[in-house]
Amino acid sequence: DQQVKQNSPSLSVQEGRISILNCDYTNSMFDYFLWYKKYPAEGPTFLISISSIKDKNEDGRFTVFLNKSAKHLSLHIVPSQPGDSAVYFCAASAKYGGATNKLIFGTGTLLAVQP
Amino acid sequence: EPEVTQTPSHQVTQMGQEVILRCVPISNHLYFYWYRQILGQKVEFLVSFYNNEISEKSEIFDDQFSVERPDGSNFTLKIRSTKLEDSAMYFCASSEFAGRVKTQYFGPGTRLLVL
Repeated sequence: DQQVKQNSPSLSVQEGRISILNCDYTNSMFDYFLWYKKYPAEGPTFLISISSIKDKNEDGRFTVFLNKSAKHLSLHIVPSQPGDSAVYFCAASAKYGGATNKLIFGTGTLLAVQP
Repeated sequence: EPEVTQTPSHQVTQMGQEVILRCVPISNHLYFYWYRQILGQKVEFLVSFYNNEISEKSEIFDDQFSVERPDGSNFTLKIRSTKLEDSAMYFCASSEFAGRVKTQYFGPGTRLLVL
């Protein structure tokens, strides 16, 4: 089941620079997308989300962009900080006639922010 | 800030034994979920629960799994007869809505090791 893909398993960025994490999806029924941050041995922590009716959502240093025609979303972190070093998961949810909204996760991208 | 809690943090069991994983969702949330992450793999949906019944379950969630909300605060996942391949991190999540805003908040997880 590869409905949500994160093709970059890892990314290394210098502190203060921009981090761009990418995610592609195949299911056109997805209407809500989320980014989670995860440290080892901890649960995913919600970062930011975007509904399919928008193409951008911003929260502080985090911005998510959605390109529905390309079925692509990205998370921008500006400026990157060493504390941002973690695994970032993209997740998507679809509305199927009222069914609850299970999340389909990507495989994650390990972000390392170098001081 | 309200958070999802899970107990125990670690559980070691022998193959064939029953385990119960416990979760306390965020108090005003109505939708509850279990996910798991096998080491090195992506986070996978197991089951969703609303209004005291299962809303959706994955093909992983077979007859050896069950969920229950025994009181107004706890949400449990029971694995009746554990197998080696059940070894994973199990995450509980909850959300306030299943409408347009579908953010799910995750607990810290229970690491289950089946020997």
